[in-house]
Amino acid sequence: GNSVTQMEGPVTLSEEAFLTINCTYTATGYPSLFWYVQYPGEGLQLLLKATKADDKGSNKGFEATYRKETTSFHLEKGSVQVSDSAVYFCALSVTGGFKTIFGAGTRLFVKA
Amino acid sequence: DTAVSQTPKYLVTQMGNDKSIKCEQNLGHDTMYWYKQDSKKFLKIMFSYNNKELIINETVPNRFSPKSPDKAHLNLHINSLELGDSAVYFCASSQAQGYGNTIYFGEGSWLTVV
Repeated sequence: GNSVTQMEGPVTLSEEAFLTINCTYTATGYPSLFWYVQYPGEGLQLLLKATKADDKGSNKGFEATYRKETTSFHLEKGSVQVSDSAVYFCALSVTGGFKTIFGAGTRLFVKA
Repeated sequence: DTAVSQTPKYLVTQMGNDKSIKCEQNLGHDTMYWYKQDSKKFLKIMFSYNNKELIINETVPNRFSPKSPDKAHLNLHINSLELGDSAVYFCASSQAQGYGNTIYFGEGSWLTVV
């Protein structure tokens, strides 16, 4: 079936630290991959996405590369800010499928 | 202009009551959804409509009934509320379903059943 596994949180970092949140997937069809972010008290919003292998999605200093060989889509940011504190969701949807499958979410805390 | 708007934002009610949450999107999208998020932030799809037609109906108690009067609106009615229904309910929309489509979420409706 289709599934997304992301690292458990919470992840706690100091400001300006390097961030990696791991995400791996299984898919029966050809997947498109997403990262969504949920700030406190808000709904989810798209952070970045990639629709084919080796594509890199990027936004607001965050990046993720679609790696078909390792079935991964890890989220990275070189220098986090306090304002990046949020819950991050990895997600996928596949060709011919109706659903978007979300991971369990990883909470990030960034300390000043 | 808010793209996906849902009301009410907060709802506190007693067990056994019936309540509704309304949702509207102004993005011109064909597909709308209801998601439930629990206290651990786990997100679960409940329903999906495409052009007013029910496409996804996950294992949800019959007490939950969605209604889509037109493709810009998807309301959720809940009968006989139970303590376990306490959660945040998100309405969302996308241009189409599945592959490559970005989902746009509302701000959520925080339901507390006491």
